[in-house]
Amino acid sequence: SQQGEEDPQALSIQEGENATMNCSYKTSINNLQWYRQNSGRGLVHLILIRSNEREKHSGRLRVTLDTSKKSSSLLITASRAADTASYFCATGANSKLTFGKGITLSVRP
Amino acid sequence: GAGVSQSPSNKVTEKGKDVELRCDPISGHTALYWYRQSLGQGLEFLIYFQGNSAPDKSGLPSDRFSAERTGGSVSTLTIQRTQQEDSAVYLCASSLALTGLGTQYFGPGTRLLVL
Repeated sequence: SQQGEEDPQALSIQEGENATMNCSYKTSINNLQWYRQNSGRGLVHLILIRSNEREKHSGRLRVTLDTSKKSSSLLITASRAADTASYFCATGANSKLTFGKGITLSVRP
Repeated sequence: GAGVSQSPSNKVTEKGKDVELRCDPISGHTALYWYRQSLGQGLEFLIYFQGNSAPDKSGLPSDRFSAERTGGSVSTLTIQRTQQEDSAVYLCASSLALTGLGTQYFGPGTRLLVL
């Protein structure tokens, strides 16, 4: 399956700490994207990294991609209570994005 | 500009009834997607429209599900003879990308409950 699998399934940290979430996939991809979902509603795009890129930054977000290991990580630095949400990786291949099951991040004030 | 909108926000129906869910994509976006998300789960792809091309219906779970997109804009997802297992949040997304691989912009979803 092309579906990305996130790890861990749930993560609880203290405000101010860094949060690291991982995504692994099985076949070649064109790009990998991370999305956030609050309260079971619509997803919000966070960042896209192409298969020929290794690292990307956006504000407090850092995404890495290792195509040899077929894995990506999303790092949120200096977490805030407002970062509490579900995070999904989506792998782009064969003209389609396939979403994983998500990681639930809880940031304690 | 306005984002993706969906209606209704919530729908409660009785088993066996038909329902129609509506999605208004961002103006100018050629691609439109429907997903289903059950409680605490990931997104299940249902159908993908791209411009005037034939839609990719490979994710529709049964022939009770159908979708159309009129005039390359608004889309309606229809579920006939609803079953309790159809209860989920139905999410619509649109994209500018022609490849199916670009950033997707999601609506707030329709929460469907089949009693």
